[in-house]
Amino acid sequence: DQQVKQNSPSLSVQEGRISILNCDYTNSMFDYFLWYKKYPAEGPTFLISISSIKDKNEDGRFTVFLNKSAKHLSLHIVPSQPGDSAVYFCAALQGGSEKLVFGKGMKLTVNP
Amino acid sequence: NAGVTQTPKFQVLKTGQSMTLQCAQDMNHEYMSWYRQDPGMGLRLIHYSVGAGITDQGEVPNGYNVSRSTTEDFPLRLLSAAPSQTSVYFCASREQGAGANVLTFGAGSRLTVL
Repeated sequence: DQQVKQNSPSLSVQEGRISILNCDYTNSMFDYFLWYKKYPAEGPTFLISISSIKDKNEDGRFTVFLNKSAKHLSLHIVPSQPGDSAVYFCAALQGGSEKLVFGKGMKLTVNP
Repeated sequence: NAGVTQTPKFQVLKTGQSMTLQCAQDMNHEYMSWYRQDPGMGLRLIHYSVGAGITDQGEVPNGYNVSRSTTEDFPLRLLSAAPSQTSVYFCASREQGAGANVLTFGAGSRLTVL
């Protein structure tokens, strides 16, 4: 039973437009959420995170929104750039746990 | 500052062979972990360690052994490789303690078991 779900395997957007990546979770005990970006033949790199005490966190072009009642978070990239083309992983952590749980990932393609 | 270093980058094994994937970090991180990435499965935790001498199982530990004799190193051992262990393996580390939630990953080790 997957606790972190990224139901769309891929997304294609035009350069300059908004990219919205979605993530759902089933474990209500998760209290910290992260997004990682992964390029081919490289390890994942941390992008942005959000604590469950917040509903929004921004870092430049990247914003993560958390809706605890819906157990849903989303990553917005505005404006999207071709260099954003990568696989994006949503991950969640339960307070007191050492196990970071990842979703299956979503491939974002930003077309010039 | 090298971060997390994994060796080898590529390895081909025959079924039943043994090998060790090496992982070293120079950030003095207490927490280290191993993940495997498979198509359509995302990243799954194999084993993790919260400090030297302490290890614990993750989501998919079967077929793998780990040990943590130093803070810097966290090797992953396959005692008898199986085709199901064909995957890309990532080692990751982070600081230990409250608020230390961001993992730093290595570049990965691609393993093929024939």
